[in-house]
Amino acid sequence: GQNIDQPTEMTATEGAIVQINCTYQTSGFNGLFWYQQHAGEAPTFLSYNVLDGLEEKGRFSSFLSRSKGYSYLLLKELQMKDSASYLCAVMDSNYQLIWGAGTKLIIKP
Amino acid sequence: GAVVSQHPSWVICKSGTSVKIECRSLDFQATTMFWYRQFPKQSLMLMATSNEGSKATYEQGVEKDKFLINHASLTLSTLTVTSAHPEDSSFYICSATGGRELYEQYFGPGTRLTVT
Repeated sequence: GQNIDQPTEMTATEGAIVQINCTYQTSGFNGLFWYQQHAGEAPTFLSYNVLDGLEEKGRFSSFLSRSKGYSYLLLKELQMKDSASYLCAVMDSNYQLIWGAGTKLIIKP
Repeated sequence: GAVVSQHPSWVICKSGTSVKIECRSLDFQATTMFWYRQFPKQSLMLMATSNEGSKATYEQGVEKDKFLINHASLTLSTLTVTSAHPEDSSFYICSATGGRELYEQYFGPGTRLTVT
């Protein structure tokens, strides 16, 4: 079966760095997405990785290792507004997104 | 660019009635549209995938006669929840592909449905 695993909840301090991990087992791989979702709102796109390595975009970076079925989202200089759920999703061989359950990130002052 | 709108943003209806939710791609032609449902504190659950001019493909466990999807044009898809029940209360989100990034899904703002 297809499976995406990520921690349910994480807590971090404002100004610090946090890494959210995602492991996956899917039938085929056409890329991995990270989305941010604030409570009561729709997800917004953060990053897309299809090749191994690190993609940096401002305070957010995303890493992918296809051989390990592993990705992480790194958030630097955390701000209170970063409190949200972070969803990992993998596009399978049918170009369908398989979603993880999301990681709720709580930022404390 | 790549903006998706949904209407209404929230709706309250009585049990047994039907509710229609619209999803529009405002500045691009959506080759494929997706309908998701999200219960509180849970992740997105794909309900169906639709391509313009063809029947929607429903995920296992989703009743196609209850959740009617029409994708009449490249910019509009509708989801009609028929004979709504309180357990249909949820956050319904549509997304679309066909924007600048080929496989990226652009999400609408979601529709909060409450069935009383």
